[in-house]
Amino acid sequence: AQSVSQHNHHVILSEAASLELGCNYSYGGTVNLFWYVQYPGQHLQLLLKYFSGDPLVKGIKGFEAEFIKSKFSFNLRKPSVQWSDTAEYFCAVNEAWAGGTSYGKLTFGQGTILTVHP
Amino acid sequence: AAGVIQSPRHLIKEKRETATLKCYPIPRHDTVYWYQQGPGQDPQFLISFYEKMQSDKGSIPDRFSAQQFSDYHSELNMSSLELGDSALYFCASSERQAGGSPLHFGNGTRLTVT
Repeated sequence: AQSVSQHNHHVILSEAASLELGCNYSYGGTVNLFWYVQYPGQHLQLLLKYFSGDPLVKGIKGFEAEFIKSKFSFNLRKPSVQWSDTAEYFCAVNEAWAGGTSYGKLTFGQGTILTVHP
Repeated sequence: AAGVIQSPRHLIKEKRETATLKCYPIPRHDTVYWYQQGPGQDPQFLISFYEKMQSDKGSIPDRFSAQQFSDYHSELNMSSLELGDSALYFCASSERQAGGSPLHFGNGTRLTVT
């Protein structure tokens, strides 16, 4: 079974600070990796995803993540955060080549709440 | 653009009562997934449906059942509610294809059991 671990439960930053949120996964096979964001009172939205190829993935709103296979990590980064980035961030995985309906069977991490002070 | 619609947004029930949560997927999406997110916890996969048939099952209690209808909307039925069932229940929809379109999540139904 897969498991996902996010290192920080709550991160507090000032605007313009750099962000890095840690995510490690445990699984014996190959996985697809995702970062989702949940703004207060809103639904989960996909920030970025990694299936294969270039391990540095760029997503929406200036976010990027790097897949390091040897470390089973998929850390999320942003060079300069804004107050509007205040949200909860979830790392998630599913089995690679999870075809059909298994594609949506995600295993989520515990989430990291990011608070950005103006 | 149309999104995944869940109803109701909030629901308060007493122990041992029943509850029905509804999910309306994005048009042309044929697959629905249900997740449960307890307070301060990560979302846990419950169950999924494709073309009105159950396709995957996760950590769904026997007291819960779900189905997908001919218009692709789905309902999650919860009976003999317990305090521990208090959580945010959200569904997601997608088009069935290998490694394909990302999941689109609804805003969720917050269930409080008293």
